[in-house]
Amino acid sequence: DGGITQSPKYLFRKEGQNVTLSCEQNLNHDAMYWYRQDPGQGLRLIYYSQIVNDFQKGDIAEGYSVSREKKESFPLTVTSAQKNPTAFYLCASSMVGLAGGASTDTQYFGPGTRLTVL
Amino acid sequence: AQKVTQAQTEISVVEKEDVTLDCVYETRDTTYYLFWYKQPPSGELVFLIRRNSFDEQNEISGRYSWNFQKSTSSFNFTITASQVVDSAVYFCALTSLSGGGADGLTFGKGTHLIIQP
Repeated sequence: DGGITQSPKYLFRKEGQNVTLSCEQNLNHDAMYWYRQDPGQGLRLIYYSQIVNDFQKGDIAEGYSVSREKKESFPLTVTSAQKNPTAFYLCASSMVGLAGGASTDTQYFGPGTRLTVL
Repeated sequence: AQKVTQAQTEISVVEKEDVTLDCVYETRDTTYYLFWYKQPPSGELVFLIRRNSFDEQNEISGRYSWNFQKSTSSFNFTITASQVVDSAVYFCALTSLSGGGADGLTFGKGTHLIIQP
């Protein structure tokens, strides 16, 4: 069954600790994305990657880091520098990567990880 | 800069009523794409439709229909004969071929639709 998996579903961390959120896709998609969602808000782009070993900052990249060592995987690290990390994090992928700074292909989303920093 | 406005924060209707969710967008690009996603309580975003700026035909898929009007920069979504399973948060999103910068998908803030039995 093709799709996007994110783990864990719920994550609790103490303030000041780094934490890594997993995102894996078996759709053979080129591009992958990370979004953050806060209560009552739409999604905001954190990072995106069009190809392996390449990624770009989105609108709210500060305090986050990513890697793209494999086409299928795009893990997100929430560092201690992120001032307000408690949020719902969604990973997405699409067939065609970003062109000229914007994505036009349909993005499909994973189930999300809810991060709570205590 | 791009912007998507979903003015209706929450809508509550009784089952079997028709309901329309509004979406108004702003972009300076002539080529752009509009999307609707559904977010049920589980949290995952479910893709519903993608429409490009050159295709103004309305689309119907079962009980769902979409009305795209470039003249008013709107892309409204109607659910006919609503059902309890339609209860969710619905997001309208926009992307375009603007150069230089990580625009990605620009989302509205969502409309929380509650269908009461």
